[in-house]
Amino acid sequence: AQKVTQTQTSISVMEKTTVTMDCVYETQDSSYFLFWYKQTASGEIVFLIRQDSYKKENATVGHYSLNFQKPKSSIGLIITATQIEDSAVYFCAMREGNTDKVVFGTGTRLQVSP
Amino acid sequence: NAGVIQTPRHKVTGKGQEATLWCEPISGHSAVFWYRQTIVQGLEFLTYFRNQAPIDDSGMPKERFSAQMPNQSHSTLKIQSTQPQDSAVYLCASSLGTSQNTLYFGAGTRLSVL
Repeated sequence: AQKVTQTQTSISVMEKTTVTMDCVYETQDSSYFLFWYKQTASGEIVFLIRQDSYKKENATVGHYSLNFQKPKSSIGLIITATQIEDSAVYFCAMREGNTDKVVFGTGTRLQVSP
Repeated sequence: NAGVIQTPRHKVTGKGQEATLWCEPISGHSAVFWYRQTIVQGLEFLTYFRNQAPIDDSGMPKERFSAQMPNQSHSTLKIQSTQPQDSAVYLCASSLGTSQNTLYFGAGTRLSVL
């Protein structure tokens, strides 16, 4: 069964620094998709970035990038030049190739201070 | 595009009463998902539909919970004989159902069972 684990419950950083959030996953499938979502203080959940298991290149979108280490079943989210508005809860998620079902980790709360 | 619409935003029920939660997915999206979010359990998958057909309800509590999708424009989650432990934010999401399968979440319904 697919499983996603985020061990960091909370991270605090100063504005304009770089932060990395960890995520490890478990799956028996050779094909899968990994996602990061952000939940703001208002409760809104939005998609940030995706990594397909068959792609070797790390995905990058704006100031978000991924550190995909397939042998370690790890997909870290890197946020560069953090801004106050990046303060939120970040969820790692996974979908196996043979289903639409997306399973989420428990989330990491990021606090960015001026 | 109004996004995924969930109604009501808040619902308060007494123990033992029934609660029905509504979701209108984004037009053209073929997959609809229900999740439950609590502090303790995080984002739990409940069930999903593809092209209105129930595909996976592995996260649904076996008793009292049911979900339907009578047409492509709405889905309902019904909880019979609500219990205090059912108190949570219930989130609906939809997706195009492609391999990318980015989820678009609604604002959620906060259910409080007194």
